[in-house]
Amino acid sequence: GENVEQHPSTLSVQEGDSAVIKCTYSDSASNYFPWYKQELGKRPQLIIDIRSNVGEKKDQRIAVTLNKTAKHFSLHITETQPEDSAVYFCAAANSGYALNFGKGTSLLVTP
Amino acid sequence: DVKVTQSSRYLVKRTGEKVFLECVQDMDHENMFWYRQDPGLGLRLIYFSYDVKMKEKGDIPEGYSVSREKKERFSLILESASTNQTSMYLCASRSTGISYEQYFGPGTRLTVT
Repeated sequence: GENVEQHPSTLSVQEGDSAVIKCTYSDSASNYFPWYKQELGKRPQLIIDIRSNVGEKKDQRIAVTLNKTAKHFSLHITETQPEDSAVYFCAAANSGYALNFGKGTSLLVTP
Repeated sequence: DVKVTQSSRYLVKRTGEKVFLECVQDMDHENMFWYRQDPGLGLRLIYFSYDVKMKEKGDIPEGYSVSREKKERFSLILESASTNQTSMYLCASRSTGISYEQYFGPGTRLTVT
């Protein structure tokens, strides 16, 4: 089955800096790659996703890039703010059905 | 606004008890999922269902079963709870359509003593 590796497991940045989280996947049939943000004590929420027919997608300060050949995708957060502090999960799936999640990255943005 | 609710936020059960976790969604979604979340392990899929009375095993189905008698409700059953099933359980749903977004419930923190 699909195996998703996520790095780093923890990341600390200063407010205003950029943060990058990387994921690799194993199943070449995977074609959907979402990123979820989970704040402390809350449910995971989708922040951005990308499909395999697109190499990059942006939404304000957040961007995701996908390299299908290398089977890796990354989340980029620019101009980080304290409210970006959370656990971020990447995932991969074939046509969006059963998501296979990475183990998460705990991001801390210090003022 | 999509709403996914779970029957309990916190639950404490004894070893060997039968445990029911309920999940209800109000958006007429065809697909529903049960995950467990443990520190350092991320979210792991237990079971999912793409239609009423249909179910598929996820990555860690051992010790669990599910029931989907109505479209809006998906139940996770622990036939005989064990301490290693102490965890956070998250339910999610999504439609069958262009959007693949999964909407999560608030989670049930289950402690088995």
